[in-house]
Amino acid sequence: GDSVTQMEGPVTLSEEAFLTINCTYTATGYPSLFWYVQYPGEGLQLLLKATKADDKGSNKGFEATYRKETTSFHLEKGSVQVSDSAVYFCAPRTDNTDKLIFGTGTRLQVFP
Amino acid sequence: NAGVTQTPKFRVLKTGQSMTLLCAQDMNHEYMYWYRQDPGMGLRLIHYSVGEGTTAKGEVPDGYNVSRLKKQNFLLGLESAAPSQTSVYFCASSRQGSSETQYFGPGTRLLVL
Repeated sequence: GDSVTQMEGPVTLSEEAFLTINCTYTATGYPSLFWYVQYPGEGLQLLLKATKADDKGSNKGFEATYRKETTSFHLEKGSVQVSDSAVYFCAPRTDNTDKLIFGTGTRLQVFP
Repeated sequence: NAGVTQTPKFRVLKTGQSMTLLCAQDMNHEYMYWYRQDPGMGLRLIHYSVGEGTTAKGEVPDGYNVSRLKKQNFLLGLESAAPSQTSVYFCASSRQGSSETQYFGPGTRLLVL
């Protein structure tokens, strides 16, 4: 069935460090790909998305490129801030069911 | 625009009690969803709806019922609460189409004793 695999956390970084959170997925058809972020005590917010192969989504300094050949959508940021501390979810949305497929999420902790 | 709102924010129930969680959206979205979030397990889909008057089971539907009598509202019911239903519940809504963004509510924290 459809699934998503994210690197296990927590990912612990110092402020201004480079961030990569890996995401690979298995999905039928041609899914759109989403990264959501959940700050402590809050609901999920869309961070960025890409709807077709080779598209790059970007927002707030975060970027991810839709790699169809490797079925991946890795999240990157060049310089993280303490305020980026949150849980990040990679989620494909399949085109045959319109459902989001969630993994367990990756917790990011950024220290000053 | 309020987006997606959820009522209540927090509730404590005793085993066997019933309750209804309310989700409301003001974006005229066709699709609505109920998820639960448990530690280390991400979000799991309970039930969803692709339009007014229609509902369907998700990944973990047992012990829950839903109704979508109005397009803007999606109700999640627990007929006889169990401790295993202690969780944080999130509602979401979206337009139809795999490229459309799902918008999430702030969550309801439920504790079943």
